[in-house]
Amino acid sequence: QLQLQESGPGLVKPSETLSLTCSVSGGSISSTAYYWGWIRQPPGKGLEWIGSIFYSGRTYYSPSLKSRVTISVDTSRNQFSLNLDSVTAADTAVYYCARRRASALDCWGQGTLVTVSS
Amino acid sequence: QSALTQPASVSGSPGQSITISCTGTSSDVGAFDFVSWYQQRPGTAPKLMIYEVSNRPSGISNRFSGSKSDNTASLTISGLQAQDEADYYCSSYTGSNNHLFGGGTKLTVL
Repeated sequence: QLQLQESGPGLVKPSETLSLTCSVSGGSISSTAYYWGWIRQPPGKGLEWIGSIFYSGRTYYSPSLKSRVTISVDTSRNQFSLNLDSVTAADTAVYYCARRRASALDCWGQGTLVTVSS
Repeated sequence: QSALTQPASVSGSPGQSITISCTGTSSDVGAFDFVSWYQQRPGTAPKLMIYEVSNRPSGISNRFSGSKSDNTASLTISGLQAQDEADYYCSSYTGSNNHLFGGGTKLTVL
């Protein structure tokens, strides 16, 4: 059974870089059938699409975050990662990683809360 | 890109049917048959309920159904049960491998 698990610091200072990793188990991140994505949810608010990556390294980013986001993949470790630069309090959110099959996110990690504060 | 438009809340009694709408534009919902719906219970990750407008993943009850007309997609839940109480989000493909979510709808089972 496929499982995704987010990891990374729960607290990031303003203007610094938020870095998270998603570890995939029970399946290969190198499958040609899937993309791998990041989604976030500010406390008490709705979901926001951040971007996705294919195992080859091809990336696709939300236009609203494109200037600050980098998503990368490490097929040897079956992981993919998110970097978000120059964070502010508005970037405080639960960050989810998920598997994308065609247009739908069919398997999600449990999410990790990242707070931006000094 | 603005979020897709969903009602903030809907409610219904056990056994009834409810419908949640998701309105976009001719560039997203109206352009592609790639609308999906997610259920999110408090403190948990979203769960895929409907994909490609009207398809149910394995294990999802047939009480959940989806449809689309022009720029508006809809999720219908029939035979409401207490366990259906949750937030529901729609999502649409917008082209160039990007996606857009709706603002979410809180379903209350009375």
